[in-house]
Amino acid sequence: TQLLEQSPQFLSIQEGENLTVYCNSSSVFSSLQWYRQEPGEGPVLLVTVVTGGEVKKLKRLTFQFGDARKDSSLHITAAQTGDTGLYLCAGDEYDYKLSFGAGTTVTVRA
Amino acid sequence: DAGITQSPRHKVTETGTPVTLRCHQTENHRYMYWYRQDPGHGLRLIHYSYGVKDTDKGEVSDGYSVSRSKTEDFLLTLESATSSQTSVYFCAISEPDTGGYEQYFGPGTRLTVT
Repeated sequence: TQLLEQSPQFLSIQEGENLTVYCNSSSVFSSLQWYRQEPGEGPVLLVTVVTGGEVKKLKRLTFQFGDARKDSSLHITAAQTGDTGLYLCAGDEYDYKLSFGAGTTVTVRA
Repeated sequence: DAGITQSPRHKVTETGTPVTLRCHQTENHRYMYWYRQDPGHGLRLIHYSYGVKDTDKGEVSDGYSVSRSKTEDFLLTLESATSSQTSVYFCAISEPDTGGYEQYFGPGTRLTVT
């Protein structure tokens, strides 16, 4: 059983459309991180959120941390083919160890 | 990019043989981690280290051991490889002492146990 549940598992959209990926848990986290991973490579950190209710924007990507620090979302506006990849959320339960969700595979079609 | 290398990048081995994977960092980060990644499971923590000679188990530590004799190197050993240990292994580093929660990952080692 995953500590963090990500949804959806797969997402295929047309270039220019918007998408949202969700990450939910019953646990409270000191911080939550989002990573993107491309085939054959290690995960690359996109953002860290640490404050309940926090919203961070990274160009077309918007990350939100839930008020109770148990959930998060990633929203991509006007997706591009370069956004294709595996998106992973990971939470730190105040012990410097991360628990990962199973990931969301995003495919953006040209 | 964080200076993290893993070796080997690919390995094929037979069931029952011991295997050692190496992670090397040039960032002088105190924490180092070993994960395995399998379809449908995301990344799962095997072992981690919070300093030289200081290590602890993660959620999937059975059949694995680790050693850290220097800050920059963290070794993962499969004592007697089994087919269930076929996976992609990632090393990561972090430095919470400076307030950072982030982990930075190496390029991975693809291990196949036949």
